[in-house]
Amino acid sequence: QKEVEQNSGPLSVPEGAIASLNCTYSDRVSQSFFWYRQYSGKSPELIMSIYSNGDKEDGRFTAQLNKASQYVSLLIRDSQPSDSATYLCAVNLGRNYGQNFVFGPGTRLSVLP
Amino acid sequence: GAVVSQHPSRVICKSGTSVKIECRSLDFQATTMFWYRQFPKKSLMLMATSNEGSKATYEQGVEKDKFLINHASLTLSTLTVTSAHPEDSSFYICSPSGMSTDTQYFGPGTRLTVL
Repeated sequence: QKEVEQNSGPLSVPEGAIASLNCTYSDRVSQSFFWYRQYSGKSPELIMSIYSNGDKEDGRFTAQLNKASQYVSLLIRDSQPSDSATYLCAVNLGRNYGQNFVFGPGTRLSVLP
Repeated sequence: GAVVSQHPSRVICKSGTSVKIECRSLDFQATTMFWYRQFPKKSLMLMATSNEGSKATYEQGVEKDKFLINHASLTLSTLTVTSAHPEDSSFYICSPSGMSTDTQYFGPGTRLTVL
């Protein structure tokens, strides 16, 4: 069964702290992994993609992937109130599947000033 | 990232009318189009997948005769909500996909309100 799970939150962190968002997936054929941010009333926007085990850093964002544990996370350093949004984890199962992307339900992050 | 437009961004209509939503992929060829629906404070729900020039494949529970999808070109897909009812009020988002990318990008969405 193709599932992507996330804690729905809300996850509240103080401004300047590190926010840690977690995602697990069930299908081992998953090939690539994505984090999207969605502000209220807006459509999702891509933050980061990660394909290999380990860490990938982009500015204040770090994605971490562990395929053995079927786990992907997103760390946001120096969290800002503008980071308050819902964060969606997405898994691409590869081109052999009719619907490549499976999205998690999202985690609501609230950064408190 | 990809440039995707949707029109209209917001529409209010009376119950029983039909509403057409356009999605354009402006900088790449969208061989596949995904249409999503999102109710307030809920997660994205895939409605249907269409390949250019083919009939759309609908997810379970989505009425194909109510949500008409046309994907006649590599840059344009339309979703028509026929005989709209208040329960169809939602945020509709398109997501084009092409062979040149494995990343899924989203249109800005269309907020539909049916009175």
